[in-house]
Amino acid sequence: DGGITQSPKYLFRKEGQNVTLSCEQNLNHDAMYWYRQDPGQGLRLIYYSQIVNDFQKGDIAEGYSVSREKKESFPLTVTSAQKNPTAFYLCASSIRGGQGTDTQYFGPGTRLTVL
Amino acid sequence: QKEVEQNSGPLSVPEGAIASLNCTYSDRGSQSFFWYRQYSGKSPELIMFIYSNGDKEDGRFTAQLNKASQYVSLLIRDSQPSDSATYLCAVRDDYKLSFGAGTTVTVRA
Repeated sequence: DGGITQSPKYLFRKEGQNVTLSCEQNLNHDAMYWYRQDPGQGLRLIYYSQIVNDFQKGDIAEGYSVSREKKESFPLTVTSAQKNPTAFYLCASSIRGGQGTDTQYFGPGTRLTVL
Repeated sequence: QKEVEQNSGPLSVPEGAIASLNCTYSDRGSQSFFWYRQYSGKSPELIMFIYSNGDKEDGRFTAQLNKASQYVSLLIRDSQPSDSATYLCAVRDDYKLSFGAGTTVTVRA
């Protein structure tokens, strides 16, 4: 099956801990994205990557870090510097990134809760 | 960040009726527009995109774009209970999508 997988589905973090959210795609897409969604709000971009070994900050990158060592993988680390990390985290990918009607497809999401 | 505004709803429609959702955007230069459906607790799934003025139809869904007035709408014809969800409007801003907060639709039997 082709698609985007995210793990874990649910994650609980204690104050002061770093946690890493996994995102893998087998769609052969070049571009990958991380969004955060809070209740009643739209999605906000954290980081994006258009090519392996390159990534850029989105609108709310503070307290987060990413890597893109492989085309199919784009893990997100939520660091202790992120003050309010409880949210629904969504990974997306697209064929080219930023081109006209290039469409982003989403993984199933990870729900992070800080205890 | 570019602004994308949607009525939060909830929008309640009877089964079989037409649901009309509106979205306005702030950047006059925006070229591509997307509608996603998101069921409670799930991730967004693409319904359709539109980039030319006018209407675009896909099954029971019709997207309408008016760049001069800076709005894009989504019509759902013959609404079904399975259409009950939150509908997200997204506007392309170069490499990223700017999302509205979504309109929640409830289809009552």
